[in-house]
Amino acid sequence: EDQVTQSPEALRLQEGESSSLNCSYTVSGLRGLFWYRQDPGKGPEFLFTLYSAGEEKEKERLKATLTKKESFLHITAPKPEDSATYLCAVRGTGNQFYFGTGTSLTVIP
Amino acid sequence: DAGVIQSPRHEVTEMGQEVTLRCKPISGHNSLFWYRQTMMRGLELLIYFNNNVPIDDSGMPEDRFSAKMPNASFSTLKIQPSEPRDSAVYFCAIQGARSGMNTEAFFGQGTRLTVV
Repeated sequence: EDQVTQSPEALRLQEGESSSLNCSYTVSGLRGLFWYRQDPGKGPEFLFTLYSAGEEKEKERLKATLTKKESFLHITAPKPEDSATYLCAVRGTGNQFYFGTGTSLTVIP
Repeated sequence: DAGVIQSPRHEVTEMGQEVTLRCKPISGHNSLFWYRQTMMRGLELLIYFNNNVPIDDSGMPEDRFSAKMPNASFSTLKIQPSEPRDSAVYFCAIQGARSGMNTEAFFGQGTRLTVV
């Protein structure tokens, strides 16, 4: 069964303190690993798609990496506006997107 | 750009009443998903459609839940009768195929349902 586990559940960082979020997955035939950002009261907002081990994507202070078993979302020198819940999802041989329960990130000024 | 309009944004109803949630994809998709989000269980897939045809409804919790997609521009999720444990945020998401790539899913803003 396709499964996604995210850690930590919650993370508090000082502004400028870099860190990483983890997404561990098991999936039959990975057809994509997706990172989303969700702000309170809003729908998940797409950030990145990774398709194969070794692939990396960057956007501003965020960098996503992928291995055969996990993905990391690295946040470099975060700012308070980076505070949100970050969701990871995988898509396998079926067409469904399976989501983890997310990491709630708080960046303190 | 793909986009999804959900309505209503908020719904408060009494236990036992029928609730209908609506989703209007703007364009550029061939798959539509209904998700339910709660603090305890995160985002759970309820059902998805491919080219307006229901493909997998194994996530629909009970027979009280039903979903339709009469055309590419409209889908509904109905709960009849509603129960307090159905309280959650319900999201509609779309995914389109571009040149055979496995594209991402785009989400609407959600409907927050409260059953009292």
